[in-house]
Amino acid sequence: DAKTTQPNSMESNEEEPVHLPCNHSTISGTDYIHWYRQLPSQGPEYVIHGLTSNVNNRMASLAIAEDRKSSTLILHRATLRDAAVYYCILRDKGRDDKIIFGKGTRLHILP
Amino acid sequence: DAEITQSPRHKITETGRQVTLACHQTWNHNNMFWYRQDLGHGLRLIHYSYGVQDTNKGEVSDGYSVSRSNTEDLPLTLESAASSQTSVYFCASSERGAYNEQFFGPGTRLTVL
Repeated sequence: DAKTTQPNSMESNEEEPVHLPCNHSTISGTDYIHWYRQLPSQGPEYVIHGLTSNVNNRMASLAIAEDRKSSTLILHRATLRDAAVYYCILRDKGRDDKIIFGKGTRLHILP
Repeated sequence: DAEITQSPRHKITETGRQVTLACHQTWNHNNMFWYRQDLGHGLRLIHYSYGVQDTNKGEVSDGYSVSRSNTEDLPLTLESAASSQTSVYFCASSERGAYNEQFFGPGTRLTVL
């Protein structure tokens, strides 16, 4: 399976935008890019996913590079409740439905 | 509202005992998964099922077993609990298709003394 690379941790100020990067240079044409996050003491929750085009939902935006070798999760206005571990995951639509989680990026929000 | 629940939420047991953790979902999802998460680490897949009577081993399946007799439940059994199995266990479910999101339960904190 194609792998992703994320920074171990990032910091951001409250009420400012946050850009969480993810590199996936070996991505295949059938891989979806998924993002999950895990708030403290909770199970992971889905954030967003995309294939080729940029995507927006109520939680975040996903910007995908034209060559699809990298992507960025954008939180437009971070709050303290966004402090979590964010996981970038590739999922091949033609293969297993399981998810193998990496280590993710721990996002700290400074008040 | 549909949901996924886990029980118990906290469990303390002794080395060598058999332990079963319950996972129940009301979405009628075909896929169900069990993960463990140790302090400071990410989630690791233990076992998963794509439907009734189907079970598959994940990354760290040794010492664990699952069975799927209906759509709603995937119990996880530790045949003979070991201290190395002290962890937080998360259950998840999803519809078929790798693009579908997984919904996670609240977790069970298991301590093996």
